[in-house]
Amino acid sequence: DIQMTQSPSTLSASVGDRVTITCRASQSISSWLAWYQQKPGKAPKLLIYKASSLESGVPSRISGSGSGTEFTLTISSLQPDDFATYYCQQYKSYQYTFGQGTKLESK
Amino acid sequence: EVQLVESGGGLIQPGGSLRLSCAVSGFTVNSNYMSWVRQAPGKGLEWVSAIYSGGSTYYADSEKGRFTISRDNSKNTLYLQMNSLRAEDTAVYYCARDSPYADWGQGTLVTVSS
Repeated sequence: DIQMTQSPSTLSASVGDRVTITCRASQSISSWLAWYQQKPGKAPKLLIYKASSLESGVPSRISGSGSGTEFTLTISSLQPDDFATYYCQQYKSYQYTFGQGTKLESK
Repeated sequence: EVQLVESGGGLIQPGGSLRLSCAVSGFTVNSNYMSWVRQAPGKGLEWVSAIYSGGSTYYADSEKGRFTISRDNSKNTLYLQMNSLRAEDTAVYYCARDSPYADWGQGTLVTVSS
């Protein structure tokens, strides 16, 4: 199995801050990485696919980068709607795996 | 409009069986990559199983032999048959479409408890 490790587990930030979440894969997954946002009681929402491609309708302050084993999700200027939990997911192997999640909370 | 609606969750005793359904509209279940993902209370997302448009199926190691993913093209519905259920299978189960998951259902809660 490919293991995905996110850091940090929790991130405290303020509106307007620039924040970065890191995701590491246990082996190379090329660019087969997605990022999701989840709010309490709701299904996850796809933000980024193929490591850096922005899903339609997702604001441009959100971006993704990386390839191989190290990836980042960046929010350039945090907005109130961005406080949520974020997950990375690899979809290179048949058994897709998620990172453990990063909770972005208001400082 | 794409819609996925899960059903079939509920309270079940350990060792029991349950079949979850995911009725879809706006696309055909047999022409898409479909998956089940679960989330235990207060925990992260866990990939459970997937079925390719060609019919190949895949499972997480912890579910192999206990869970079976299938689809009914005439009903445009995805299923997850779950047998020998354990307390640790307690979770909200989501169905999702495509790769990666562009569309999700609202989830159905499965509680395994005596």
